[in-house]
Amino acid sequence: AQSVAQPEDQVNVAEGNPLTVKCTYSVSGNPYLFWYVQYPNRGLQFLLKYITGDNLVKGSYGFEAEFNKSQTSFHLKKPSALVSDSALYFCAVRRLDNTDKLIFGTGTRLQVFP
Amino acid sequence: EAQVTQNPRYLITVTGKKLTVTCSQNMNHEYMSWYRQDPGLGLRQIYYSMNVEVTDKGDVPEGYKVSRKEKRNFPLILESPSPNQTSLYFCASSPRTSGLNEQFFGPGTRLTVL
Repeated sequence: AQSVAQPEDQVNVAEGNPLTVKCTYSVSGNPYLFWYVQYPNRGLQFLLKYITGDNLVKGSYGFEAEFNKSQTSFHLKKPSALVSDSALYFCAVRRLDNTDKLIFGTGTRLQVFP
Repeated sequence: EAQVTQNPRYLITVTGKKLTVTCSQNMNHEYMSWYRQDPGLGLRQIYYSMNVEVTDKGDVPEGYKVSRKEKRNFPLILESPSPNQTSLYFCASSPRTSGLNEQFFGPGTRLTVL
């Protein structure tokens, strides 16, 4: 069965420091991986996705993610955090069938302190 | 503006009183889906629809119904709500041109069942 795990419920980082939000996946075959962000009282917004190709994927708002097949990870990163990056982040994997279904992790709350 | 809209945004109701949460998208997307978000559980899929008149169960369909009579609308129906359906609900849509497109989410409906 396909799944994603986000091992940290919360990540705290000071503004200006680099941030990493971790995600590991379990799939059979090639994974299709996504990151979404949820700001307070808002729906989820797409950040970036990995389908194939370059292992470093660049997305919205200066975020990027590194796909690592040997470690089955897809960590979200940003070189310099902003207070406005504080939000709930979800990693997701697309199921490898004809349903277009996304399987979400449990989410990681990112808190960026001034 | 391309968007997914949900109504109502907030709803407090009592056990057993039928309710409908509407979802509408203006992007001509074939795929639509309903999720519920609960703390520590991430997003779980309730029902999805691949196109008009084509719906199927997700991971947690018990107690819910859906219909897809028009491409733009995908209402979620709770025939007899119970307190365990208190949750934050999201509707999402995506095109099916390749099956690897990101999903667009509505703003969410916070439901409380007393």
